[in-house]
Amino acid sequence: AQSVTQLGSHVSVSEGALVLLRCNYSSSVPPYLFWYVQYPNQGLQLLLKYTSAATLVKGINGFEAEFKKSETSFHLTKPSAHMSDAAEYFCAVSNANTDKLIFGTGTRLQVFP
Amino acid sequence: DTGVSQDPRHKITKRGQNVTFRCDPISEHNRLYWYRQTLGQGPEFLTYFQNEAQLEKSRLLSDRFSAERPKGSFSTLEIQRTEQGDSAMYLCASSRLEGQFFGPGTRLTVL
Repeated sequence: AQSVTQLGSHVSVSEGALVLLRCNYSSSVPPYLFWYVQYPNQGLQLLLKYTSAATLVKGINGFEAEFKKSETSFHLTKPSAHMSDAAEYFCAVSNANTDKLIFGTGTRLQVFP
Repeated sequence: DTGVSQDPRHKITKRGQNVTFRCDPISEHNRLYWYRQTLGQGPEFLTYFQNEAQLEKSRLLSDRFSAERPKGSFSTLEIQRTEQGDSAMYLCASSRLEGQFFGPGTRLTVL
């Protein structure tokens, strides 16, 4: 079975500050890991994905995430927050044997000026 | 626009009525997925197709739910005898390799 846990349902940062959104996974097989962003009343947009290649993954809009097997983590970071980053962020897991994505409960990011 | 499209974007219905949603995937994508998202939660997997074959269905999907992808292109999701608990955002996604691309969703409200 697979699952993800997103620590912190709400994160608030100032514009220009570091963004850190936490995701821990559980998987009995090598995982594929994803971060998606969802703006109000819209679908999900893929930010980045890890599929067993490089452990540091760079995505769109300046976001990146690092796969750490020893910590079962896949935290999302961005060096400098922008107002337009305010949204809901979802971590998800799957694996080579299934396309089904298992999502976390999401983290709402607020960015203050 | 070459993204995933869904129709309608919003649907309000009365309890007991049937509703049908449509999803048009990205044209070269052979895999199509349906998810359901309720307020404050992440999307939950419902079912997925590879071409026209329905390969997996969630145990969450009751007998009132049925999905089709008759020619391996667009898909429909039908809910029969809707209940208030069916109120949610229904999301469609498509993929060819790793990474699913989502449509804007259909928001269903059951009164």
